[in-house]
Amino acid sequence: GAVVSQHPSRVICKSGTSVKIECRSLDFQATTMFWYRQFPKQSLMLMATSNEGSKATYEQGVEKDKFLINHASLTLSTLTVTSAHPEDSSFYICSAGQGYSNQPQHFGDGTRLSIL
Amino acid sequence: EDQVTQSPEALRLQEGESSSLNCSYTVSGLRGLFWYRQDPGKGPEFLFTLYSAGEEKEKERLKATLTKKESFLHITAPKPEDSATYLCAVPNAGGTSYGKLTFGQGTILTVHP
Repeated sequence: GAVVSQHPSRVICKSGTSVKIECRSLDFQATTMFWYRQFPKQSLMLMATSNEGSKATYEQGVEKDKFLINHASLTLSTLTVTSAHPEDSSFYICSAGQGYSNQPQHFGDGTRLSIL
Repeated sequence: EDQVTQSPEALRLQEGESSSLNCSYTVSGLRGLFWYRQDPGKGPEFLFTLYSAGEEKEKERLKATLTKKESFLHITAPKPEDSATYLCAVPNAGGTSYGKLTFGQGTILTVHP
């Protein structure tokens, strides 16, 4: 149980393109989803927290107009990187929780984004 | 502010050589401690949750233990397929931080055949 699917696994695109990443909880309802960014050999850096049906909460320093998050249902959240540039190239990972802080988050397999 | 520190940063073992990874934490009221395994190019895979001092969880060659200040991940007779980065994390509680995780920096485990 507790499977989170993230799609696509890899994206290569030109500078200026907008890229959408999907995160789905397959076998449970995720009241809260989290989006992380991970740089090589570093731990996960939280970008934003999204609750179903409400606006996402962004961490300090994360541009909300650059990283658009939508959490329209209890099983789907999307992250759109708008007008992506080479500095946005990174490994993006989503996780899903069931709304209780003492329960673990379950992670997708990540999306490797490369902007040329 | 919650803090999580893992040691060592990297650990190289021979196949069959047992060892332990450490996760020290400082939190204002522990609501659980999570261990994850992360393979290169993948998201973290959930391993264990520990809630109270003295609790132990086991899965194959891994055993996680918890005290009031730290957690250990014991690896017994490791195999090369146990090579990965092991992360521990604690959940924040209350206010706008509800549900967020504070991660340690991870321990990169390499098991040589």
